[in-house]
Amino acid sequence: SQTIHQWPATLVQPVGSPLSLECTVEGTSNPNLYWYRQAAGRGLQLLFYSVGIGQISSEVPQNLSASRPQDRQFILSSKKLLLSDSGFYLCAWTTAKGGSYNSPLHFGNGTRLTVT
Amino acid sequence: QQPVQSPQAVILREGEDAVINCSSSKALYSVHWYRQKHGEAPVFLMILLKGGEQKGHEKISASFNEKKQQSSLYLTASQLSYSGTYFCGTEISGGAQKLVFGQGTRLTINP
Repeated sequence: SQTIHQWPATLVQPVGSPLSLECTVEGTSNPNLYWYRQAAGRGLQLLFYSVGIGQISSEVPQNLSASRPQDRQFILSSKKLLLSDSGFYLCAWTTAKGGSYNSPLHFGNGTRLTVT
Repeated sequence: QQPVQSPQAVILREGEDAVINCSSSKALYSVHWYRQKHGEAPVFLMILLKGGEQKGHEKISASFNEKKQQSSLYLTASQLSYSGTYFCGTEISGGAQKLVFGQGTRLTINP
């Protein structure tokens, strides 16, 4: 069966420090991978998605970046965190490829990031 | 591009029914529904594709009207476990490989 691992679960970082969040998927190949962010009490904001190794689409031009060095690995990074980067970061995957989006998104357990 | 959900919050007694709406200003290719418990990841409920179909999942069902560019989620005889925040995710471009979510509807079920 497929599983998604996301770590760390919680993170407290000072303003200006770097960030690296990692997400890996097991039990499937060539998944679409996504990073969403959820501010406290708010909706799900799509940050980045990837349909293959090295292919990254950015939805929100901020001080965040994403990389996909391996088929089932997705990394979210920042060189210098801002207070506004605080939130609940969710990695997700799906098998949907082309055509209509007819496969569900499977979310990881998330990383709660607090920038102080 | 973000779909609009209504209402923003609902408070029900156990056993009552609820309807959550999701509207888009763009043509929709598919609509997804997810439920999120506080502090947890969203969990998939169902997908509706173009064609105006209605799907069901226990006492939770949904409809998709592509002409009106909207979907509705129906919760009948609500249970305490239905509490949470419901999100609709919309695909506004075929093959775009991404979902854009609404702002969520918080549902509270009281005994």
